[in-house]
Amino acid sequence: AQSVTQLDSHVSVSEGTPVLLRCNYSSSYSPSLFWYVQHPNKGLQLLLKYTSAATLVKGINGFEAEFKKSETSFHLTKPSAHMSDAAEYFCVVSETLGGSQGNLIFGKGTKLSVKP
Amino acid sequence: DAMVIQNPRYQVTQFGKPVTLSCSQTLNHNVMYWYQQKSSQAPKLLFHYYDKDFNNEADTPDNFQSRRPNTSFCFLDIRSPGLGDAAMYLCATSREGGLGADTQYFGPGTRLTVL
Repeated sequence: AQSVTQLDSHVSVSEGTPVLLRCNYSSSYSPSLFWYVQHPNKGLQLLLKYTSAATLVKGINGFEAEFKKSETSFHLTKPSAHMSDAAEYFCVVSETLGGSQGNLIFGKGTKLSVKP
Repeated sequence: DAMVIQNPRYQVTQFGKPVTLSCSQTLNHNVMYWYQQKSSQAPKLLFHYYDKDFNNEADTPDNFQSRRPNTSFCFLDIRSPGLGDAAMYLCATSREGGLGADTQYFGPGTRLTVL
């Protein structure tokens, strides 16, 4: 069975400093991994995804994530936080097997606060 | 360009009064999903349609039903809303099969309040 663990429920950074949101997964198969962002009272927006191509994935708004199979991690980073980055971030693994349709397994989310 | 559209954005209903939430998509995706998201929690899948095939999650209450009259539209019907059904309801779509088919595209959500 696949699962996702987001190690921090809340991360607070100062504007202009680096962001690190941690995610570990477990999967019996080659996983697809995603980071979604959700601003208050909004839907989920896809930041980036990994699907067995390059292990360093670049997403929107300056975010990137590195897939590390040996550590079963998919941490999200950004060199310099902006006030607009304050939101809830979800790490997600797909249950997809062999290209067939599958469900998304969500982490519990990490709330990112950005201080001026 | 809105791709997954949900109406209304905010819905208020009374305890026990049936309510319908709407989702439409311009992506021509075969798969449509409904999620329930309560405050400070991750989204929880209620059910999904793979084309016309309805797939209900095992723990989705009977109070929740869905209709998909065509590829573009999908509805969530709550037959007798209770106070515990107050939540954000998210619609999502994904295309059929193949590499990358597991990427889901979400709508902005409908915030349901039950009085």
